[in-house]
Parts: sequence; C-alpha cells; structure tokens
Amino acid sequence: NAGVTQTPKFRVLKTGQSMTLLCAQDMNHEYMYWYRQDPGMGLRLIHYSVGEGTTAKGEVPDGYNVSRLKKQNFLLGLESAAPSQTSVYFCASSYSGRQSSYEQYFGPGTRLTVT
Amino acid sequence: KNQVEQSPQSLIILEGKNCTLQCNYTVSPFSNLRWYKQDTGRGPVSLTIMTFSENTKSNGRYTATLDADTKQSSLHITASQLSDSASYICVVNTGFQKLVFGTGTRLLVSP
Repeated sequence: NAGVTQTPKFRVLKTGQSMTLLCAQDMNHEYMYWYRQDPGMGLRLIHYSVGEGTTAKGEVPDGYNVSRLKKQNFLLGLESAAPSQTSVYFCASSYSGRQSSYEQYFGPGTRLTVT
Repeated sequence: KNQVEQSPQSLIILEGKNCTLQCNYTVSPFSNLRWYKQDTGRGPVSLTIMTFSENTKSNGRYTATLDADTKQSSLHITASQLSDSASYICVVNTGFQKLVFGTGTRLLVSP
C-alpha cells in the first residue's frame, strides 16, 4: 500500500495564478483532510470530507476550494494564489469520525511558495 | 479558546540520553490525546493515542503519560538515537476527528 500520496511535492506560483493539489489514498478511508503548516503554528485544518461527494469547511477555508469526486481522491484548489498561502500543505485520511481513536494518516506534504 | 502548548520549543541531547517533552492543553471537549513524530520534510506519524482513562502508553522507547485532571501530557524518550531527531507534536482530538495541534518540540540528538 502506498498510503497517502500528494502531488506535486514542490510548486512556485506567482500571485494570482491558480493550481490544484492532488491527494490520493489507497486505504479505503472515508474521511480526508487538507491541512496547512506554517512556522511557529500548529497544523490548521483547511477543508475536510466525510465521504465521496461531500466537503466541509475547516478552520482556515478562505481562498481554497476542494472536491471529492472519488472516494480515494481529495483535491485542493487555489483559484487566485496570494503570498499568504505560502505554506506546506498536508493531506490526511482516516476511517470515519464515529470512532475518535481512528488514526489519521498523513501524506508527505506539498511545499508551495507564492511570490 | 482551544489551545495546545508544548515545551520546550527545541532541545538538544546526546545520543543515548533520555529526555521528556511536555504538553499542556486547554481543549474542550476532550476525546483523546496523540503524540506525533514529524521528520524534516515528511508528514506526521502517530506514536501513541491515549483516552482520558489511560495514564501511560508505550511504543518501544517512547512512553507517553496523561493526567486528565491537570490537562498535562508528557512524552519520554529512552536511550535516544540519532533517528529520534525530529519534531514531536502533541495533538488533542475534541471528537469526530477534529484535531487541535501543538506547535511541536524540535529535538536534535547529537552524536
């Protein structure tokens, strides 16, 4: 099993450009999440999905959109990138939230720089 | 406001020595507490998960403790190895997979 994979690993964007980050998991997990990690701050939840075709806002959703067309994929889109979106983005997945002890498995991250 | 605070921010120890990392939280509701290890350039990997009824949990050379009354947790690393160099993140689950992350302790194990 590959676990959780993310593409791309690195990306540099100019302000105003758009891009999509792809997350894929092969563990048949129901829940998927997008986080961002900034220096001096804990990981913060951007958006999450509790199943195919569903998405919900997290703690810092502004400037991002997501889609979950297939159970194994979760896409994060930036429509018009801003320097404040320079960050490391992590995708994670887990079995349902009904059991809080279920583990969240993280991908390797995407380092995004917006100039 | 839900917060998870960790100390120290960074730590350097000699290989083979023990160390203890601290976590204080003001999170409600509380479902469980997790410790993650994050190697540089990688995603976090779970070390332990503890519910409020568990006082201690071990995973090899890692031992986590939890005092739900004082809302404190610690992660003790025994006989440190160079591969233990990483950031260690304390995370509280408020339920239904809603996680509150600490900022982490950066540990460097020196030969």
